[in-house]
Amino acid sequence: DAGVIQSPRHEVTEMGQEVTLRCKPISGHNSLFWYRQTMMRGLELLIYFNNNVPIDDSGMPEDRFSAKMPNASFSTLKIQPSEPRDSAVYFCASSSDAGNTIYFGEGSWLTVV
Amino acid sequence: AQTVTQSQPEMSVQEAETVTLSCTYDTSESDYYLFWYKQPPSRQMILVIRQEAYKQQNATENRFSVNFQKAAKSFSLKISDSQLGDAAMYFCAYRTRNQAGTALIFGKGTTLSVSS
Repeated sequence: DAGVIQSPRHEVTEMGQEVTLRCKPISGHNSLFWYRQTMMRGLELLIYFNNNVPIDDSGMPEDRFSAKMPNASFSTLKIQPSEPRDSAVYFCASSSDAGNTIYFGEGSWLTVV
Repeated sequence: AQTVTQSQPEMSVQEAETVTLSCTYDTSESDYYLFWYKQPPSRQMILVIRQEAYKQQNATENRFSVNFQKAAKSFSLKISDSQLGDAAMYFCAYRTRNQAGTALIFGKGTTLSVSS
């Protein structure tokens, strides 16, 4: 079975550029989560969706960050413009309402120089 | 709001020995889930073990077991017969039981090193 699929796995970009991270949740899962991991702040929840609807976006750091889930099988996290402090590993994860476990993708390593 | 605390930033163990990682949490809810995730250097988040709060029996997965003390709000992870491959960061996490889906709340993590 395919797990949560994230792309790109690694990205290096220059400050000011737009970054788009993509996620395909596990088929049949109806909750999708975006987390960010840094040394300083650990694992932070940025936003999560249930049935394609954003439920809690209080973790989105500022207006430069936006997330969409146009359908049940795809989500994007966009940073525009990017800044060096956005460098982190961004995880996408998914779960089903019937289950209790959240499954993670392999993460997208973002470096902004 | 719920919080998860891992008071041991780093732990070490020798191969074949047993180690226990501590986790406490704070909640006013009665129904929830608790998890331990392992994160090796590859950064992949791997589920180690989960516990439903309504179950009194402690969860076990091969060499991994938990000591769940609901009244004390404690959820420790015991790794028996430690192996070099167990070296990783371990995160304790809490999740509310909710049909609409809720997010995981993570502790800060414990880095486990294993020596031969």
